[in-house]
Amino acid sequence: ETGVTQTPRHLVMGMTNKKSLKCEQHLGHNAMYWYKQSAKKPLELMFVYSLEERVENNSVPSRFSPECPNSSHLFLHLHTLQPEDSALYLCASSRRLAGPGETQYFGPGTRLLVL
Amino acid sequence: AQTVTQSQPEMSVQEAETVTLSCTYDTSESDYYLFWYKQPPSRQMILVIRQEAYKQQNATENRFSVNFQKAAKSFSLKISDSQLGDAAMYFCAYRGYYGGSQGNLIFGKGTKLSVKP
Repeated sequence: ETGVTQTPRHLVMGMTNKKSLKCEQHLGHNAMYWYKQSAKKPLELMFVYSLEERVENNSVPSRFSPECPNSSHLFLHLHTLQPEDSALYLCASSRRLAGPGETQYFGPGTRLLVL
Repeated sequence: AQTVTQSQPEMSVQEAETVTLSCTYDTSESDYYLFWYKQPPSRQMILVIRQEAYKQQNATENRFSVNFQKAAKSFSLKISDSQLGDAAMYFCAYRGYYGGSQGNLIFGKGTKLSVKP
């Protein structure tokens, strides 16, 4: 599946670093999502964008800052993270946000380790 | 709030055999969608099958089928003729009928399926 790509695939960063995760979708979708996947926990929805506008922010700490410059790209800017932020960060997209039964397509994820 | 529960953290099946993964959910809505996603070791999550709550007929996709019991709020996944490539984490997910916050996917914790040759 190459419809949704994410870079980098692995990232190790210190707590004082600033880094960015990138997601790109080649499916012509209008909605994009960031999820956090931690061990033994359900996927947690972090941010939702529809037509480049943020429509949901699920009480995510401000050290995570999303950016959606266009409908094909989504970034997650990271700064002053904590070790508990270490997780797999998944990006997803769907054709549109609203509407019944919209299927979300996922990227391969970025494995983040915060030291 | 809606919740999704997968009570089996790990399951194992012999190649060519059949295995059933369980999922229960809680909702007060009457219309919604249910999904099974597969996440292989390569980590890309892919959709396996989906079910519309208003449909009584169980969804089927090749070797994958579901047993949808709306009254019991149960949505199990049956994998027939298991193959080595079926080894993965399987996530059950719920989505409300409409968009917005109701339309966000709510995931269970997942079931790790191992396939023995």
